[in-house]
Amino acid sequence: AQRVTQPEKLLSVFKGAPVELKCNYSYSGSPELFWYVQYSRQRLQLLLRHISRESIKGFTADLNKGETSFHLKKPFAQEEDSAMYYCALTQGGSEKLVFGKGTKLTVNP
Amino acid sequence: NAGVTQTPKFQVLKTGQSMTLQCAQDMNHEYMSWYRQDPGMGLRLIHYSVGAGITDQGEVPNGYNVSRSTTEDFPLRLLSAAPSQTSVYFCASSYGTRGAKYEQYFGPGTRLTVT
Repeated sequence: AQRVTQPEKLLSVFKGAPVELKCNYSYSGSPELFWYVQYSRQRLQLLLRHISRESIKGFTADLNKGETSFHLKKPFAQEEDSAMYYCALTQGGSEKLVFGKGTKLTVNP
Repeated sequence: NAGVTQTPKFQVLKTGQSMTLQCAQDMNHEYMSWYRQDPGMGLRLIHYSVGAGITDQGEVPNGYNVSRSTTEDFPLRLLSAAPSQTSVYFCASSYGTRGAKYEQYFGPGTRLTVT
């Protein structure tokens, strides 16, 4: 079964520091991975997906099939990055999207 | 476009009561889904639909029913509410019948409390 693990429930960094939110998955095929973000009082929204290989709001994520990881990184955190972040996965032929338990990021001034 | 809308925003039920959470989208999306969000548990898929007349179970379907009579609407029914169903419920929609592969558009959520 597909499973997504986000080992950190809470992550706190200072403004300007690098930040890495970890995501590991268990699936042996070719997964499709996503990062979703939920800012305070806003809807859950897509941040980025591995297929597009783009940088959104300074965040990047690289799919590492050897380590089965899809960590989210930003070199210089901003206070407005404070939010709940969810890693999500679907497999090629599946109709289900599975989410991790989420990491709450707090960026302190 | 209103996107994905959900009603009500808040609801309090007594144990044993039934109710329907409404979800509608105006983007002509084939794929729709329901999640519950609980502290420390993330989002868990309840039911999903790949088109009108087609529904299937997710990870936590017990105690919930769905139907999809139109492309636009995907209501979630609680048959006999239990305190364990206290949660925030999110509806989402996506392009295409393989919608899990594409960007999910989420509704604002319904906060349900069962006493």
